[in-house]
Amino acid sequence: DIQMTQSPSTLSASVGDRVTITCRASQSITNWLAWYQQKPGKAPKLLIYKASNLESGVPSRFSGSGSGTDFTLTISSLQPDDFATYYCQQYNGFSGTFGQGTKVEIK
Amino acid sequence: QVQLVQSGAEVKKPGASVKVSCKASGYTFTSYYIHWVRQAPGQGLEWLGIMNPSPGSTTYSQKFQGRVTVTRDTSISTVYMELSSLKSEDTAVYFCARGGNGLDYWGRGTLVTVSS
Repeated sequence: DIQMTQSPSTLSASVGDRVTITCRASQSITNWLAWYQQKPGKAPKLLIYKASNLESGVPSRFSGSGSGTDFTLTISSLQPDDFATYYCQQYNGFSGTFGQGTKVEIK
Repeated sequence: QVQLVQSGAEVKKPGASVKVSCKASGYTFTSYYIHWVRQAPGQGLEWLGIMNPSPGSTTYSQKFQGRVTVTRDTSISTVYMELSSLKSEDTAVYFCARGGNGLDYWGRGTLVTVSS
């Protein structure tokens, strides 16, 4: 299985801050990477697919970058609704491992 | 609209098996993969496996190989996930999700509780 290492595990930030979360794959996944947001008691919500493509309806303050093994999710200006847990997932070929998650907390 | 409707909560004893269903609607069932993902209480997301409904091929996480089986019934657009030899650590919410570009639609989850 491809392993996904996500960091940090917890991030404290304020409204308006620029936030960056990183994800590293144990082998190249080209650009087969997605980012999700999850709030307590809810299913995850797709934010970014193919590393840098914004899912329909997702605010433009979210962006993704990277290829190969190293990827980044950036929130340009953190909003109150963005305090949640974020996961990366590789979906290279016929598989789908997740990172450990990053909880974004209010500072 | 795309919907994935999962079966209801289950309570099982250690050593038993559980079978969770995921009924798809609002799209061509055989055109998208279905993934199974679980989340233990207070923990992160864990990928179990994937099915291509046409032709019914599957791949499983190495961690669950031999304990998880994913099947489908194309006549009713439903995918099933069966997990055997249950342990208390298998207590979790089990999600199915459609594999488009990323996992774009999710079921609401099925709580499986393993307790003696």
